[in-house]
Amino acid sequence: QKEVEQNSGPLSVPEGAIASLNCTYSDRGSQSFFWYRQYSGKSPELIMSIYSNGDKEDGRFTAQLNKASQYVSLLIRDSQPSDSATYLCAVRPVFKAAGNKLTFGGGTRVLVKP
Amino acid sequence: DTEVTQTPKHLVMGMTNKKSLKCEQHMGHRAMYWYKQKAKKPPELMFVYSYEKLSINESVPSRFSPECPNSSLLNLHLHALQPEDSALYLCASSLQPSGGGADTQYFGPGTRLTVL
Repeated sequence: QKEVEQNSGPLSVPEGAIASLNCTYSDRGSQSFFWYRQYSGKSPELIMSIYSNGDKEDGRFTAQLNKASQYVSLLIRDSQPSDSATYLCAVRPVFKAAGNKLTFGGGTRVLVKP
Repeated sequence: DTEVTQTPKHLVMGMTNKKSLKCEQHMGHRAMYWYKQKAKKPPELMFVYSYEKLSINESVPSRFSPECPNSSLLNLHLHALQPEDSALYLCASSLQPSGGGADTQYFGPGTRLTVL
């Protein structure tokens, strides 16, 4: 079992619709969760971070965390063609020796069609 | 300002060459990272520097040699690389080496390395 799992996609979404991305993780004690967006050939760009159960909204993006079920999701509302990218879920392990080491999922490729 | 800069943007080198990648941040971050990313794969951690000291080496081959001359600068020295080392090399930084709470890693634009 991979430590952080994402559906590789592509997730095809019509323009204006909601894109829903899921991420599951195996380390039950994980405390910090991040979503990065990565355009082809570019570096990862932080979109959202979430630390507490529930929802966190930032513009068109909503991150949802459920620690009991060990999943974190990202909703993109009113999807635009510019949202077409790979979305990386990253989890920080709980053990202190790891410091600020992040474990990345494989990424979900999102394709927003006009 | 969450800017991490990296130079060069692109690098082509032969297997016998020696080259260096440079990363710089002026955000007062005390942790800096090198990642390697192959096409269609997530970033793979190589090294972590905490307070200018190497704290994590993810069993990286010795042909990659990191250096942190000061708190703002991180270098990756390359020597005798193989074609399979061709990848996007990403630098990142974060405020707290201990990784507490809301500490977040910010990535630079990367260096696209091709080894011939």
